[in-house]
Amino acid sequence: AQKVTQAQTEISVVEKEDVTLDCVYETRDTTYYLFWYKQPPSGELVFLIRRNSFDEQNEISGRYSWNFQKSTSSFNFTITASQVVDSAVYFCALSEEKRSGSNYKLTFGKGTLLTVNP
Amino acid sequence: NAGVTQTPKFRILKIGQSMTLQCTQDMNHNYMYWYRQDPGMGLKLIYYSVGAGITDKGEVPNGYNVSRSTTEDFPLRLELAAPSQTSVYFCASSSHYGYTFGSGTRLTVV
Repeated sequence: AQKVTQAQTEISVVEKEDVTLDCVYETRDTTYYLFWYKQPPSGELVFLIRRNSFDEQNEISGRYSWNFQKSTSSFNFTITASQVVDSAVYFCALSEEKRSGSNYKLTFGKGTLLTVNP
Repeated sequence: NAGVTQTPKFRILKIGQSMTLQCTQDMNHNYMYWYRQDPGMGLKLIYYSVGAGITDKGEVPNGYNVSRSTTEDFPLRLELAAPSQTSVYFCASSSHYGYTFGSGTRLTVV
């Protein structure tokens, strides 16, 4: 069975600090996808990134960066120079890939509540 | 705009009442899902479908039913509402490119 663990339940930082959100996953599949979603107070799920299990390159998008390490089954997310608008719940998720190539059945972590204080 | 549309956005039910949460997607995705999100928890899979006429249970199916008569629609039925079903419900669909989520339905059972 697939499992995603986000050990940090809540994190509080002051604006402009860097913050890393941890994600550890378990799967028996050789092909899988990892995701990060942001859920602001308004409640919708905002897609941030999808990473294929064969692509271990780190990725940077503006102030966001992701570190994927298969050796430790981790997919950590770093926000550089955090801002108040980054305050949200962040979910890490894992999906297997069907033979058809489609993403299939997301398994979510419990989420990390990030509060960025001015 | 293409996407997943959920209705209603909010609903209050009395214990024992029934209701259907509607979900429609216009992206021709074969895979569709219903998740529920409880406070402090991640989303948990209730039911999913891999195509019209095919549905299967997820992690937390008790108290719910689904049907998939068309590719576009995937309604979730609550037959006898219970306080434990108070939650936020998300419908989603998926393809090769990832997932599209609806905006959610906040359901309160009193």
